[in-house]
Amino acid sequence: EVQLVESGGGLVQPGGSLRLSCAASGFTFSSYWMHWVRQAPGKGLVWVSRINSDGSSTSYADSVKGRFTISRDNAKNTLYLQMNSLRAEDTAVYYCARVEYYYDSSGSLGNAFDIWGQGTMVTVSS
Amino acid sequence: EIVLTQSPGTLSLSPGERATLSCRASQSVSSSYLAWYQQKPGQAPRLLIYGASSRATGIPDRFSGSGSGTDFTLTISRLEPEDFAVYYCQQYGSSPPKWTFGQGTKVEIK
Repeated sequence: EVQLVESGGGLVQPGGSLRLSCAASGFTFSSYWMHWVRQAPGKGLVWVSRINSDGSSTSYADSVKGRFTISRDNAKNTLYLQMNSLRAEDTAVYYCARVEYYYDSSGSLGNAFDIWGQGTMVTVSS
Repeated sequence: EIVLTQSPGTLSLSPGERATLSCRASQSVSSSYLAWYQQKPGQAPRLLIYGASSRATGIPDRFSGSGSGTDFTLTISRLEPEDFAVYYCQQYGSSPPKWTFGQGTKVEIK
């Protein structure tokens, strides 16, 4: 079964740090770009970060750039998100997600988040 | 930066009715990079539609997507009880690489 399982969430004080993990199984993890997406309580989905298949390229949303670092260990089939200088507005459920690339009916290359983890809650509060 | 605006915010319908959800982009987006997701309370999102109109694996054919340019639509032909949920559109832009979601449409039981 294709699966993503996040862990590492919890309560942290403003200015603190936390590292999230996402364990992948059931597919060739090293072949896929991976992402983090978050959702504040009662709010919508917000893309946070992505990493390419071998970990050599990353990108971030402006709101987390310079504070969060995405990484992966393909030998361990695990994705990470190191979160530093946490703020109250970082409070959210954090999902890891796999991106699948495909050719659509017109022959054009596209992508979408086809597999999601169950999410891990991060609460930033004093 | 492309902004996706979904309407309506909430859609109140009865089982068996047709649901039409709109996703409008602030500038033209590639249909190849437009997707729709369903999210139920306490659950992760689930991919429904990719490439604006292709159903993901296992998605019933009552779900269909259409549109191009700046206007995209998700249609649920006949609502089943399990379809009441929040739906998000999402697009990918390559310069710089960024993935953007709409704010969501809640489909609730009338």
